[in-house]
Amino acid sequence: DSGVTQTPKHLITATGQRVTLRCSPRSGDLSVYWYQQSLDQGLQFLIQYYNGEERAKGNILERFSAQQFPDLHSELNLSSLELGDSALYFCASSVEGRASGGELFFGEGSRLTVL
Amino acid sequence: LAKTTQPISMDSYEGQEVNITCSHNNIATNDYITWYQQFPSQGPRFIIQGYKTKVTNEVASLFIPADRKSSTLSLPRVSLSDTAVYYCLVGDRGGGIMNRDDKIIFGKGTRLHILP
Repeated sequence: DSGVTQTPKHLITATGQRVTLRCSPRSGDLSVYWYQQSLDQGLQFLIQYYNGEERAKGNILERFSAQQFPDLHSELNLSSLELGDSALYFCASSVEGRASGGELFFGEGSRLTVL
Repeated sequence: LAKTTQPISMDSYEGQEVNITCSHNNIATNDYITWYQQFPSQGPRFIIQGYKTKVTNEVASLFIPADRKSSTLSLPRVSLSDTAVYYCLVGDRGGGIMNRDDKIIFGKGTRLHILP
């Protein structure tokens, strides 16, 4: 158990819909990272927040948005969903704002299926 | 972040030692090398991290030559349960100034398949 909690674990929805994925970081971790992993693909970095502020941005679509709340949990909002958005979405957390060489703790992921 | 290159896939047999090499020619002075393991449908898990020479823990060893342009993850006596994707990352772990362009890129990793 990494200490990072993601909900929901599974989500099935239709094209055009909007969903929200939630992540609670490990206790004490200030940074939250979101990754997308499609079938047999590598982890695609989406976005990072540190203590409520956006820290780094990857290839996140304009239809996607995220935020980190004062209690440090984070939400990833996916709108106007397309079939290609079906993927595993992982949240990770770390203590520091810059952890490129440090340790990230990953949640179990939220599997999104768009029909 | 320094770009890394690692084999797409590898096969080995149970009981063998497996070595996965990662190239990172543009590694910077402050960069550390970190390896993660990912099982299907699970989030990656930290395995080991090092800066130079050799680091060993209960799971693996990490060998880093003097020029630090490559590193080798060594898994001793692998079992079927070591079948996973292994990612090599290179980045700055140092404290101090926050880098606003600090994107943690995993790449596609090395898919290790252990055969009985």
